[in-house]
Amino acid sequence: GNSVTQMEGPVTLSEEAFLTINCTYTATGYPSLFWYVQYPGEGLQLLLKATKADDKGSNKGFEATYRKETTSFHLEKGSVQVSDSAVYFCALSDGPSGGYQKVTFGTGTKLQVIP
Amino acid sequence: EAGVVQSPRYKIIEKKQPVAFWCNPISGHNTLYWYRQNLGQGPELLIRYENEEAVDDSQLPKDRFSAERLKGVDSTLKIQPAELGDSAVYLCASTPGTPIYNEQFFGPGTRLTVL
Repeated sequence: GNSVTQMEGPVTLSEEAFLTINCTYTATGYPSLFWYVQYPGEGLQLLLKATKADDKGSNKGFEATYRKETTSFHLEKGSVQVSDSAVYFCALSDGPSGGYQKVTFGTGTKLQVIP
Repeated sequence: EAGVVQSPRYKIIEKKQPVAFWCNPISGHNTLYWYRQNLGQGPELLIRYENEEAVDDSQLPKDRFSAERLKGVDSTLKIQPAELGDSAVYLCASTPGTPIYNEQFFGPGTRLTVL
């Protein structure tokens, strides 16, 4: 079955540091890949996505590139801010063409940015 | 546009008691999902509705869990009786009707504590 593996947290960084959160996946088809973010007390929000190999998703300074050869979708940001403190979930959706795409989430990585 | 609304936000009950969670999806979203998120884990799908029809309830523990979406809009998830292991955050999400639409919109969740 499909699965998503992401690095364990918590990750603690100083403000303006470079961020990488690793994510690798296993899927039977050609999945779409996502990063969701969950701020304290809130639901998950889509941060960025990529729907095919070599696509780069980007939003709010975050980016991730769909690497089919390494089955990876690592999240990066060049300079983190305190407001980026949250839990980040890597996810994939997969299913038959034109049909329902089931979403599988990773376990989440907590990021704490200190001033 | 209003997001996905869930209530209550928090619920504390004793084991063997019943509990119910309510979700109002984004207007016009035909597909509704209930997820359970255990501490330190990603969301896991319990049930998916297309309008009022439960099209995937394979992960719903039917001996104690039930759900309904009578008019294809609001939904209720019930647990009776609750067990200690049911302590988790219960998330509701919705998407527009197109099955292949990828992004899911999440509510803030209901945090259930079973004592």
